[in-house]
Amino acid sequence: SAVISQKPSRDICQRGTSLTIQCQVDSQVTMMFWYRQQPGQSLTLIATANQGSEATYESGFVIDKFPISRPNLTFSTLTVSNMSPEDSSIYLCSVEDGGFGKGTEAFFGQGTRLTVV
Amino acid sequence: AQSVAQPEDQVNVAEGNPLTVKCTYSVSGNPYLFWYVQYPNRGLQFLLKYITGDNLVKGSYGFEAEFNKSQTSFHLKKPSALVSDSALYFCAVRDAPGGSYIPTFGRGTSLIVHP
Repeated sequence: SAVISQKPSRDICQRGTSLTIQCQVDSQVTMMFWYRQQPGQSLTLIATANQGSEATYESGFVIDKFPISRPNLTFSTLTVSNMSPEDSSIYLCSVEDGGFGKGTEAFFGQGTRLTVV
Repeated sequence: AQSVAQPEDQVNVAEGNPLTVKCTYSVSGNPYLFWYVQYPNRGLQFLLKYITGDNLVKGSYGFEAEFNKSQTSFHLKKPSALVSDSALYFCAVRDAPGGSYIPTFGRGTSLIVHP
């Protein structure tokens, strides 16, 4: 299993500002994912963070709004840029500890609860 | 395409009674199925998975799930619920061997266990 440290755990931010969320894993992992979980809703994948290349974004999410870094196999950051109240959500980092095996379960950070005022 | 449905937003059960949280899925090939639990202010934790083999899968905290191919279901069960089981439960699916590597999550079911 992988242990993930995600920070900050929560923040209250002013609209128009940016917040960077950090995700640190205790082992090297190939794939890291960033999800958004809006109140009362399921997880929505924002992007897959690839080491050594640009992140792969899902439909509806763009790099200018959610820039992602993946400098090595144990660390990634997600920035929420130019925030608005609609960005208020829980943001989750996730990794998979089995390479590309589809039978591998995911591991999650504890999440970052973001409130934009 | 792969999809998963959790038809109940909330399940209420008395402590000591059996519980069931429902999940149905749709895939093109064979499914890889997962259950996760999310406690308040925490990330998701893996409970159990079905990949192949025995249709009854046992996982953490006394939970189990039964894979039913004919009904395309993977319901989560526990023989005797605890108040501490109260949490949000997510079912997830991947389509194997082809299809998307990215899992699809259900919308979640809130389990409330009453003392």
